[in-house]
Amino acid sequence: GAVVSQHPSRVICKSGTSVKIECRSLDFQATTMFWYRQFPKQSLMLMATSNEGSKATYEQGVEKDKFLINHASLTLSTLTVTSAHPEDSSFYICSASIPGSTDTQYFGPGTRLTVL
Amino acid sequence: GQQVMQIPQYQHVQEGEDFTTYCNSSTTLSNIQWYKQRPGGHPVFLIQLVKSGEVKKQKRLTFQFGEAKKNSSLHITATQTTDVGTYFCAGRGTGFQKLVFGTGTRLLVSP
Repeated sequence: GAVVSQHPSRVICKSGTSVKIECRSLDFQATTMFWYRQFPKQSLMLMATSNEGSKATYEQGVEKDKFLINHASLTLSTLTVTSAHPEDSSFYICSASIPGSTDTQYFGPGTRLTVL
Repeated sequence: GQQVMQIPQYQHVQEGEDFTTYCNSSTTLSNIQWYKQRPGGHPVFLIQLVKSGEVKKQKRLTFQFGEAKKNSSLHITATQTTDVGTYFCAGRGTGFQKLVFGTGTRLLVSP
């Protein structure tokens, strides 16, 4: 089956620093990847759609300068949380769909970010 | 915008009891997907329904898509402790690209 990995799985950083999260599709090429944010005991909120070779599409209310997304290859998308603050602490999950198939999304294991 | 609500938010059952979660969309959907997220884990795809009135079964799980394609349900027969987790429906509206996740139903099963 399709496997999506994320790195790191957990990160703790100081307020004001930037954190990069990687999302990789291990056994398929993903032209589109999605970044979600999930608060404890809440649903997944789509932050942005990452398109290989072009700019990401951000959802309303998501600051594109704060959450930088780069999809440089067909197997890698990165999310950089710039100048992180405690309110950015959350569970960040990426997903990818297999091109040409049903639009099943395969999720990475998630990254738990804690900003002190 | 499109909203997808689920009820109940939380249910605690005894092992062996049945469980149902209901998913309702504010708009007509082109398809509905169901995911399960174990505590501390990530969502895992369970199934996709596309046709109006469609019913699909996976062992003890029965999924249904409403005739109007605005609601769906997941029924688990004779729950087991391994069924513990949060169940999310996710719908894609007609003409939209974005998959909108429901609010989720957290299931706790006591042995």
